[in-house]
Parts: sequence; C-alpha cells; structure tokens
Amino acid sequence: GDSVTQMEGPVTLSEEAFLTINCTYTATGYPSLFWYVQYPGEGLQLLLKATKADDKGSNKGFEATYRKETTSFHLEKGSVQVSDSAVYFCALFNYGGATNKLIFGTGTLLAVQP
Amino acid sequence: ETGVTQTPRHLVMGMTNKKSLKCEQHLGHNAMYWYKQSAKKPLELMFVYSLEERVENNSVPSRFSPECPNSSHLFLHLHTLQPEDSALYLCASSQDGQGAQQYFGPGTRLTVT
Repeated sequence: GDSVTQMEGPVTLSEEAFLTINCTYTATGYPSLFWYVQYPGEGLQLLLKATKADDKGSNKGFEATYRKETTSFHLEKGSVQVSDSAVYFCALFNYGGATNKLIFGTGTLLAVQP
Repeated sequence: ETGVTQTPRHLVMGMTNKKSLKCEQHLGHNAMYWYKQSAKKPLELMFVYSLEERVENNSVPSRFSPECPNSSHLFLHLHTLQPEDSALYLCASSQDGQGAQQYFGPGTRLTVT
C-alpha cells in the first residue's frame, strides 16, 4: 500500500544552519505530496504542497521539490530560526488510489538552538 | 473563534469512565476527521465524516464512538478505555471528503489511568 518514510529525528541545528529533512514515498499513480508542521502544543498546519512531478512547493523560506524519479519530497530551508523548532510531517494523498486519504510519515522533530 | 477548536485540551480518565471529546470547525467545511497521534508512530486516521455521514472507520475499537450532529461539530465518545489508548487526539476538517488539505485543531491530550 501507499506509504511515507521520513528520516528519524531529532534533528538539532544551530540558528542560520541549512536544513534538510528527507522524505520518500511509495504510491501507485500520481499522488499529491505535502509537508505539515506541528508547533509545540498545537495541531498540524499545512506548510507546503506539490501536486505533480517537478513542482516545487514553498512557504516561509521552506522548499520541497516533487521528484518522481527518486520518489522523494525532501524539505529544505537555507537558514533556520529558533522559531522553526517543531515536528515536521511528510504526507501524500493519492486521489483515486486504494486508500483515498492522507498518509503521514512518523514525523521529524527539529530543534534549533540559538 | 476561527479555525478548528477542540475541548478539552487535556483529559485524564480511569478505565471505567465515560467521557467525550468535542471538535468544532468554523471554516464552513463539509468533512471532519478524527486522528490518533502516538509517540513514534504515524498519525492514525480513525474516522471520517463527509456531510455528516460516516465514510470511513479504520477498524477502530468500539470503545471509541464518533458522532457528527452537523457539519460544524464532531464528537468522540469514550468508554472503558485502555492505557494504550493514551495519546493526542486530533480533529481536522476539509472542504470535502477527499480533502488532502486538512485543517487541524490543537488536539486533546488523553491519559488513561
């Protein structure tokens, strides 16, 4: 079935460091891909999305490119801030697929130190 | 209030208690969801309601009973829970039942003693 695999956390970085959180997926067809973020004590918020191959989603300095050839959707940010500390979830939605619902990864905790 | 709200934010209950979680969305959406979030595990979709009809029930034990009286409100009734049911319960909504873009509430942290 469809699935999402994320890198294990926690990821600990200093402020202004470069961030990469890896995400790969397994799915039939052409799923849409998402990154959600969960700040401490809050629910998940959509951070960015991409709906077809080679699309780049971007928001708040974060970017991710839909790579069908490597079935990946890695999250990047050039210079992280303390306020970026949160849990990041990669997810896919496979319209018309076997499971017609959002499939989430396990989440990656990012801790940014001043 | 805006977005998706959940009450209570924290709940401690014994295994013989009966309690309910409440979710309200102020976004005019037609679909609502319950998820369970446990440490080190992916989010587990529990129930989906679209236009107040239950459209998905992912083999959730009967000790969890959802109710959707209208498109803005969703409840999760709990009874005779087990300690392994302790988790963060998240409510979400979307424009329709095929909603990839979902809006989440802050969750209810449930502890079963």
